[in-house]
Amino acid sequence: EIVLTQSPGILSLSPGERATLSCRATQSVSSNYLAWYQQKPGQAPRLLIFATSTRATGIPDRFSGSGSETDFSLTISRLEPEDFAMYYCQQYSNSPWTFGQGTMVEIK
Amino acid sequence: VHLLESGGGLVQPGESLTLSCAASGFTFSSYWMHWVRQVPGKGLMWVSRINSPGSDTAYADSVRGRFTISRDNAKNTLFLHMSGLRAEDSGVYYCARDHGTGWYYFENWGQGTLVTVSS
Repeated sequence: EIVLTQSPGILSLSPGERATLSCRATQSVSSNYLAWYQQKPGQAPRLLIFATSTRATGIPDRFSGSGSETDFSLTISRLEPEDFAMYYCQQYSNSPWTFGQGTMVEIK
Repeated sequence: VHLLESGGGLVQPGESLTLSCAASGFTFSSYWMHWVRQVPGKGLMWVSRINSPGSDTAYADSVRGRFTISRDNAKNTLFLHMSGLRAEDSGVYYCARDHGTGWYYFENWGQGTLVTVSS
């Protein structure tokens, strides 16, 4: 099973700042099959990024993804008030399909 | 795309429960579908998936043999029958639409239904 470890656990930033979230895998994620989701309290997760760097429909371009093999990152170039939320990475290269434990982006 | 789960509730260990997910806004029969569980305040775990015609299924190790996923393409509805429920099965169950046919990332999610297994 591929274990995904996200860091930091909590990221405290101000609106307008840049956020960089990390997702590290215990083994290589083949074909860069890695996705990112955003979840706000009381809501379902929302797909942001798939295939490491492809934005899902309707996702603003301030969200970007990068990485390969075992190290991936999600960057939010300038935080908007609606971006403060929990973020999860997920690999879909190997069964079982696993998620990271999440990074909370909170207002500083 | 709209996915609406129902059927959650409080049950005792060992009991059974069936969740439903009503789909609309897309051609349901063309997509693989999944169930994903989230323990409140914690992370996400993929539970099960079913292919488009409903002829092939897969399960997480922790639920295999106890849970059964199925679908009714005529009624645009996905099901998860859960038996032999344990406390560790508790959580919010989301139905989620696959990107297509076996991509295993989740393009759309329902709002979830809460299952609590407790005596």
